[in-house]
Amino acid sequence: DAMVIQNPRYQVTQFGKPVTLSCSQTLNHNVMYWYQQKSSQAPKLLFHYYDKDFNNEADTPDNFQSRRPNTSFCFLDIRSPGLGDAAMYLCATSRGRQGTDTQYFGPGTRLTVL
Amino acid sequence: DAKTTQPPSMDCAEGRAANLPCNHSTISGNEYVYWYRQIHSQGPQYIIHGLKNNETNEMASLIITEDRKSSTLILPHATLRDTAVYYCIVRALNFGNEKLTFGTGTRLTIIP
Repeated sequence: DAMVIQNPRYQVTQFGKPVTLSCSQTLNHNVMYWYQQKSSQAPKLLFHYYDKDFNNEADTPDNFQSRRPNTSFCFLDIRSPGLGDAAMYLCATSRGRQGTDTQYFGPGTRLTVL
Repeated sequence: DAKTTQPPSMDCAEGRAANLPCNHSTISGNEYVYWYRQIHSQGPQYIIHGLKNNETNEMASLIITEDRKSSTLILPHATLRDTAVYYCIVRALNFGNEKLTFGTGTRLTIIP
């Protein structure tokens, strides 16, 4: 089945130690998104790629970066994780960027910062 | 995107229909109503969406009022696996509305 895959499902890092989260998709979608979801809160968009074009949300901290080396893969890099960055990180994809393009989510990576 | 209002929690007996309301009184003519759900510790799952006509798929039915100011998601025969947080989201259909703005959602609990 076509799907969105996130690895690892659980990631533990130390305060200030860079960490990379991975997302891959077999849907051949043009758009890939990263959302952050803190405990008991709704998901919040950090940024997205439309093909190779990176689009950052205005309030996303500089500590968060992303790479998309090809259509199938997208990475979330947290340069210096703080305790406040502990959250579930959700990757999603969609065929296009219109409001009618449904987004499909992966299972998420739960990040713990010690 | 228009704001949505949902009850924070609901219970439903297993095997009964679960009816989840959503108010979106400021919705614009070009905005769709989307429903997602999130089972504990999993990613959000797309359920259904609609513009003004009622919609049905293998998961649920979506009933949108004639004035489009509210809608109801119906799970016809709820099972324990339907326990989740359900999000109602309105989203304009034109280009540039890629962001899904999640509200607080409704926590639905299916009671055995």
